[in-house]
Amino acid sequence: QQPVQSPQAVILREGEDAVINCSSSKALYSVHWYRQKHGEAPVFLMILLKGGEQMRHEKISASFNEKKQQSSLYLTASQLSYSGTYFCGTEGDSGYALNFGKGTSLLVTP
Amino acid sequence: GAVVSQHPSRVICKSGTSVKIECRSLDFQATTMFWYRQFPKQSLMLMATSNEGSKATYEQGVEKDKFLINHASLTLSTLTVTSAHPEDSSFYICSAPRSDVPVFGDSPLHFGNGTRLTVT
Repeated sequence: QQPVQSPQAVILREGEDAVINCSSSKALYSVHWYRQKHGEAPVFLMILLKGGEQMRHEKISASFNEKKQQSSLYLTASQLSYSGTYFCGTEGDSGYALNFGKGTSLLVTP
Repeated sequence: GAVVSQHPSRVICKSGTSVKIECRSLDFQATTMFWYRQFPKQSLMLMATSNEGSKATYEQGVEKDKFLINHASLTLSTLTVTSAHPEDSSFYICSAPRSDVPVFGDSPLHFGNGTRLTVT
């Protein structure tokens, strides 16, 4: 079942912060975050497993609230290179075929 | 560098013809590969799960006789769009979970670069 992402789109000035949310109606084993540039394949950012651990990659971090079946991606001090569409992919307990949300378009302007 | 190679990157074909798309894992074995389809400005929709040595598992609403999947070896999966029609025009992306290099106990998906199919 497709997770729900919000917001649908966001425009930031360079250096500003943003939060992208991903929620599911089903119990989750893990949440994956990917970024896709226009015309390219998605690129893996990070994985979060059950337990609410927060992960970090440079200035991008994410959390996973297993009980709420929600994950949030935090982009701190955004850079121009952060522009793209962010997808969360959710994995249920039955297997690792990811279902992706509709994506959040992020545009960082100078 | 790329760990999953997809070929061709772009194909234009006439309505009624068949198109084969290849997906290869380059430096790891993939017993499972996933095929996604992405329409413009939309999400990646899982079409099917390709399993080496057994039949593919198709998602609801995906015609298995139209989208033939063959996982011939541990490094190769193919998707054949048979009797293609203009509505099949889309961006097809394969992916493989890399279990030999887990990230926090899970297998991140590595995507091929995608195949843009245009059916005229």
